Amino acid sequence: AQSVTQPDIHITVSEGASLELRCNYSYGATPYLFWYVQSPGQGLQLLLKYFSGDTLVQGIKGFEAEFKRSQSSFNLRKPSVHWSDAAEYFCAVGAVLTGGGNKLTFGTGTQLKVEL
Amino acid sequence: DGGITQSPKYLFRKEGQNVTLSCEQNLNHDAMYWYRQDPGQGLRLIYYSQIVNDFQKGDIAEGYSVSREKKESFPLTVTSAQKNPTAFYLCASSSGGTGYGYTFGSGTRLTVV
Repeated sequence: AQSVTQPDIHITVSEGASLELRCNYSYGATPYLFWYVQSPGQGLQLLLKYFSGDTLVQGIKGFEAEFKRSQSSFNLRKPSVHWSDAAEYFCAVGAVLTGGGNKLTFGTGTQLKVEL
Repeated sequence: DGGITQSPKYLFRKEGQNVTLSCEQNLNHDAMYWYRQDPGQGLRLIYYSQIVNDFQKGDIAEGYSVSREKKESFPLTVTSAQKNPTAFYLCASSSGGTGYGYTFGSGTRLTVV
């Protein structure tokens, strides 16, 4: 069964500083990987996704992530953080369901705080 | 605009009551999902449905029930058998294709009073 580990529960960065959120996954086949962001009391918004091909994936809001198969990692990065990036970030791995659709397994999330 | 609508946003349940959370989508997605979110535990899958009139248990289905009578709708009932129902509930949908992510609703916060 697939699983996702986000080792950092909380991260604090200064506005304008660079950011890297860690994600490690466990999956037996080629993974489908996702990063989502959640503001308090809201649903999750997709930042970016990896299916295959180029291992550096660009997403919305200036985020990018790099897939490293040898390390089973899919870390999220942003070169310069804005105060509005403060939120909770979830990494997920997807498995195709027989009959259609995907089962996403989520990590426990990383809460990002941005200091002004 | 297409999207997923969850209602109500806040719901209060008395001990022993069943309550139903609504989830409607106009994205023409085949698959729909219910997740439960608790602080520090991420999202856990309750039920999912890939086609109308069919659904499958997820990882934490005990104390919950669902129906899928229409493609657009996937309501979740939290029954009195669910001993710890206080949580944030998220509905999602996806197309049937390979590797597609989910579109999420804005959630329902359920509190036992």
